[in-house]
Amino acid sequence: QKEVEQNSGPLSVPEGAIASLNCTYSDRGSQSFFWYRQYSGKSPELIMFIYSNGDKEDGRFTAQLNKASQYVSLLIRDSQPSDSATYLCAVNDQAGTALIFGKGTTLSVSS
Amino acid sequence: DAGVIQSPRHEVTEMGQEVTLRCKPISGHDYLFWYRQTMMRGLELLIYFNNNVPIDDSGMPEDRFSAKMPNASFSTLKIQPSEPRDSAVYFCASSFGALSGYTFGSGTRLTVV
Repeated sequence: QKEVEQNSGPLSVPEGAIASLNCTYSDRGSQSFFWYRQYSGKSPELIMFIYSNGDKEDGRFTAQLNKASQYVSLLIRDSQPSDSATYLCAVNDQAGTALIFGKGTTLSVSS
Repeated sequence: DAGVIQSPRHEVTEMGQEVTLRCKPISGHDYLFWYRQTMMRGLELLIYFNNNVPIDDSGMPEDRFSAKMPNASFSTLKIQPSEPRDSAVYFCASSFGALSGYTFGSGTRLTVV
């Protein structure tokens, strides 16, 4: 059974701080990794993807991948109240298609 | 681009009734996915299609659930008969290619009473 694990939170950070969200996955053959943001009552929206070990930066967001440790993380710098949402980690299956999602981590940024 | 379009947005039905959820993927996308989201279980993959062909339906809970994709621009998910435990938000998503991210529709919130 392929699994993607996330701490459900809530993770609370003050405005301007760095938020660190973590995810582990069970399938060592996984190839691609995604972070989605979901506001309450809305659908998930893609914010980052990463395929190779190391860091990938996009604006205030940095995705980090360590395949040896089967670990993916998302850093949000200069956190804003508008970043308050649930962040979903997703990993592809061995066929390279359907994504398996974690249950998400709820982030709360206080002003 | 109008994005992935789902209908209806909300559905309230009585136990035992048939429910049909609809999805129009983004034009040109060759993959279509149906997911179900609940607080307890999170986002669960139900079934996905590639070029209108069902590839993996192992996530479909039981025979009461069925999905079709008669053409590249339309898919349905049917539950017959519906049960209260089917209450959830059902999302349709589409993508171009196997490794790109998905675009989700707005979802259908299903309540079975």
